[in-house]
Amino acid sequence: IAGITQAPTSQILAAGRRMTLRCTQDMRHNAMYWYRQDLGLGLRLIHYSNTAGTTGKGEVPDGYSVSRANTDDFPLTLASAVPSQTSVYFCASSDTSGGAADTQYFGPGTRLTVL
Amino acid sequence: GQSLEQPSEVTAVEGAIVQINCTYQTSGFYGLSWYQQHDGGAPTFLSYNALDGLEETGRFSSFLSRSDSYGYLLLQELQMKDSASYFCAVDTDKLIFGTGTRLQVFP
Repeated sequence: IAGITQAPTSQILAAGRRMTLRCTQDMRHNAMYWYRQDLGLGLRLIHYSNTAGTTGKGEVPDGYSVSRANTDDFPLTLASAVPSQTSVYFCASSDTSGGAADTQYFGPGTRLTVL
Repeated sequence: GQSLEQPSEVTAVEGAIVQINCTYQTSGFYGLSWYQQHDGGAPTFLSYNALDGLEETGRFSSFLSRSDSYGYLLLQELQMKDSASYFCAVDTDKLIFGTGTRLQVFP
């Protein structure tokens, strides 16, 4: 593994189903982030974690939850998917939680479609 | 509230110079970043300005004026591979991204 990996690459999901998007990094970065990207809306922060064991809410947290049991993994869970959660989801990490001065490295993304 | 504005699309020809502007209104500000994203790919970091002035990295330069809440990304000697979307992002402790500027480079 080099950098950040996400799984699955893409998924079609029925509304009401539970889904966990996986994110793993091997750079030993403290901070990790989940964004969603919708056409015309750019990247919006869903949840973040400044360090293992802590999480925080971003701009659009409703309907999503995260956990950070260790440094490497930062899964994003949709408890009951709805069509408005159809999007491309990017996981990112950075070396510290000090803001943009710490370059964020993005995973390849997960394309999720909720029907 | 917080907002960023950048043009939705810019076109240019190979070898030309293009400037992508970004204006912002935020309640906190530490710096301005720029990211590049090719179609179907992940965003990748290009530059960061914490202080006023110009930062140069090869063919790309980024400028910031904190007093004007304004910055720009300057791309010189454009190449076809520069065709991508470019996002400015304000650092308010967390990154707030603009909606992106799609750059199309023509031969």
